[in-house]
Amino acid sequence: ETGVTQTPRHLVMGMTNKKSLKCEQHLGHNAMYWYKQSAKKPLELMFVYSLEERVENNSVPSRFSPECPNSSHLFLHLHTLQPEDSALYLCASSQEGIAGYTFGSGTRLTVV
Amino acid sequence: QKEVEQDPGPLSVPEGAIVSLNCTYSNSAFQYFMWYRQYSRKGPELLMYTYSSGNKEDGRFTAQVDKSSKYISLFIRDSQPSDSATYLCAMRGSGKLIFGQGTELSVKP
Repeated sequence: ETGVTQTPRHLVMGMTNKKSLKCEQHLGHNAMYWYKQSAKKPLELMFVYSLEERVENNSVPSRFSPECPNSSHLFLHLHTLQPEDSALYLCASSQEGIAGYTFGSGTRLTVV
Repeated sequence: QKEVEQDPGPLSVPEGAIVSLNCTYSNSAFQYFMWYRQYSRKGPELLMYTYSSGNKEDGRFTAQVDKSSKYISLFIRDSQPSDSATYLCAMRGSGKLIFGQGTELSVKP
């Protein structure tokens, strides 16, 4: 495996369900990110982890809960979501000294 | 005012056309400028990277940065249907990467 891997690729969940999104990076990077991408809207930064410590939380509702157990793995735990949370959720990683981010292919989430 | 402004399009051109995509920004501290390409149902992938002002060419793609005008451009020569995607500009200083809204490009055969 190379790059940034996200699972599952697609997820349909009810408003009362609990599910988790998983991200794994194989690049040796020291920072990881969760973004939300809705149709016709810019990328929205949700959370930033640097060296496994959360350094940014952009006013994200508590129904989204991130977890970073080590520098290679990032999770986004979901519970009691709303239909407006339906979007593409992207994970990215970066390394200090390298300007750009590497993105995964995303999880397409649909809340019904 | 948004830190990064990008016309969302959509932009439709015939195959072989020259495409010009642009972004403006307000933060003079930005030094690193990038263009990402995002195909439908995929994550963004880094296409071009430029540090500070100047031009950079890679095959059919040319990235330009004009820091005095706070304006960056991506030119695509001899555009192909496979170039149909959303193109996002991104930039940063010492902090996190800031993205434009993305321009949706369609190249018609």
